[in-house]
Amino acid sequence: ETGVTQSPTHLIKTRGQQVTLRCSSQSGHNTVSWYQQALGQGPQFIFQYYREEENGRGNFPPRFSGLQFPNYSSELNVNALELDDSALYLCASSSGQDQYEQYFGPGTRLTVT
Amino acid sequence: GDSVTQMEGPVTLSEEAFLTINCTYTATGYPSLFWYVQYPGEGLQLLLKATKADDKGSNKGFEATYRKETTSFHLEKGSVQVSDSAVYLCALSDWGSARQLTFGSGTQLTVLP
Repeated sequence: ETGVTQSPTHLIKTRGQQVTLRCSSQSGHNTVSWYQQALGQGPQFIFQYYREEENGRGNFPPRFSGLQFPNYSSELNVNALELDDSALYLCASSSGQDQYEQYFGPGTRLTVT
Repeated sequence: GDSVTQMEGPVTLSEEAFLTINCTYTATGYPSLFWYVQYPGEGLQLLLKATKADDKGSNKGFEATYRKETTSFHLEKGSVQVSDSAVYLCALSDWGSARQLTFGSGTQLTVLP
């Protein structure tokens, strides 16, 4: 069974640029959630996708957007990057039947300069 | 809204010492409660969970009991090892459609030989 994978591992961008982060969910999981973890903080919920539709959103501005594909992999897009967007971005997958148990990927470390 | 408060860290213990990490929560309903562990450079791993009041979650010698009357879910281990050094995060999941996780800020544990 393949776990949750994310790419890239690390990324450095300049303020104002756009970035796309990718996540492959665990086999059999149809739900993907994205979290932002600032240094020294707990993860903050960005949004969740269930069967290709947004299924909930946290307190993040519209420049944070996402997609889920038919194979349940997902992308997180961030436009107009700000310095405060520097963080570890975590993807978690779960199955529709057991949504409260989420399995996390290793994360993408984004640095905005 | 929902929130989780963890004891401030970092915590440094000697091997075989007793561990307690305090966690209290605020939620409008009856959330599920979790402890996640985060090793350096890795994603979050579910350590244990409890889904209703008085449930005790346990794994790898760690335990936590869901205390509705005190809205707490303190993590304990009787004898820590050097390999337990990591960041520990308390979280809750609400009963909304997204079942998003709300995390505490995390507690860094260092165990010295």
